[in-house]
Amino acid sequence: GESVGLHLPTLSVQEGDNSIINCAYSNSASDYFIWYKQESGKGPQFIIDIRSNMDKRQGQRVTVLLNKTVKHLSLQIAATQPGDSAVYFCAAQANQAGTALIFGKGTTLSVSS
Amino acid sequence: DSGVTQTPKHLITATGQRVTLRCSPRSGDLSVYWYQQSLDQGLQFLIQYYNGEERAKGNILERFSAQQFPDLHSELNLSSLELGDSALYFCASSVEGLGEETQYFGPGTRLLVL
Repeated sequence: GESVGLHLPTLSVQEGDNSIINCAYSNSASDYFIWYKQESGKGPQFIIDIRSNMDKRQGQRVTVLLNKTVKHLSLQIAATQPGDSAVYFCAAQANQAGTALIFGKGTTLSVSS
Repeated sequence: DSGVTQTPKHLITATGQRVTLRCSPRSGDLSVYWYQQSLDQGLQFLIQYYNGEERAKGNILERFSAQQFPDLHSELNLSSLELGDSALYFCASSVEGLGEETQYFGPGTRLLVL
């Protein structure tokens, strides 16, 4: 079955640095990807999404890059702030397989000031 | 705040019991999804409903069932509970329940089975 995995379970950065969280997926039919942020005791919060017909999408302080050739996506957070500390999940969806999101295990981002 | 609400926030029960988790989707969303989050399995899709009808099924145990009511709220029923059912249960909603739609998650219900 499809799997989605993160390269690093934890990432520690200094306030003001840029953060990069990487994710790999296995199903080449995956055509929609979402990054979620989950703070302790809360549900996953939508950050940004990207469709397979794009290779880059930017939001406020965040950028998602998609490389379909190597089945890899990344989330870049600019000028990381202490409030960005959370667990970050990437999720993939293969429309042919339905609407279920397949989630990676999560990367815990710790931002120190 | 995603607009998705879930009750209760916490639930403690004993093995063999049955519980019901409730979810109200965002205003205007017709589709509801249920996910289970455990430490060892991560976030796993259980089941999806669209406008009252089951649309997709994931790794949902036979002891678990769900439904979506005419007012679009959904309930997840967990029966014959086992210790391993202890987890966070999330509900998400989206507009049409089709592919390439953002799913917005609720705050979750933390279930502890003793």
